[in-house]
Amino acid sequence: DQQVKQNSPSLSVQEGRISILNCDYTNSMFDYFLWYKKYPAEGPTFLISISSIKDKNEDGRFTVFLNKSAKHLSLHIVPSQPGDSAVYFCAARYTNAGKSTFGDGTTLTVKP
Amino acid sequence: DAGVIQSPRHEVTEMGQEVTLRCKPISGHNSLFWYRQTMMRGLELLIYFNNNVPIDDSGMPEDRFSAKMPNASFSTLKIQPSEPRDSAVYFCASSLAGGGTGPLHFGNGTRLTVT
Repeated sequence: DQQVKQNSPSLSVQEGRISILNCDYTNSMFDYFLWYKKYPAEGPTFLISISSIKDKNEDGRFTVFLNKSAKHLSLHIVPSQPGDSAVYFCAARYTNAGKSTFGDGTTLTVKP
Repeated sequence: DAGVIQSPRHEVTEMGQEVTLRCKPISGHNSLFWYRQTMMRGLELLIYFNNNVPIDDSGMPEDRFSAKMPNASFSTLKIQPSEPRDSAVYFCASSLAGGGTGPLHFGNGTRLTVT
């Protein structure tokens, strides 16, 4: 049973426009969510996170929204830049549980 | 900060051979994680350690896989004997204090090919 799902394997947007990446989870025990970005031949790097006590967290061009009732979160990138082209992973965990469960990733392509 | 260091970056071996992957976590981090990435299963957790002690190894696929953390600055993942289905990218990651609410810091991975 896949507890964290990213249903869109890929997304293509024009430079300057908004990118919206989605993630759904099934386990209501998850209370902390993270987004990671991965370039080819590199490991994932942390991008932004959100606790379940919040519904929004913003860091520069990146904003994560959490809808607990729908068990859904999304990552908004505004404006999108070609350097944002990468694979984006959503991850979830219980606070202090240590381990994170990852989605399968969404490949974002930002076209100049 | 040198980040998480993994070696080798690439490993090609024949079926039946022993493979050892190595990881040096970020200094001061006391949690270490081994993940495997495949097309079929995505990023899956194999095992993680807190303060050098294995906490959860439920993701280790079978007895052919073993992991050790003899000290705070070194961990190994061993596959013996290796099989073609073990071909994947293996990532090591570290974090502070059991993860808490802090992020994982990943190494650049070891790409393993078993022929």
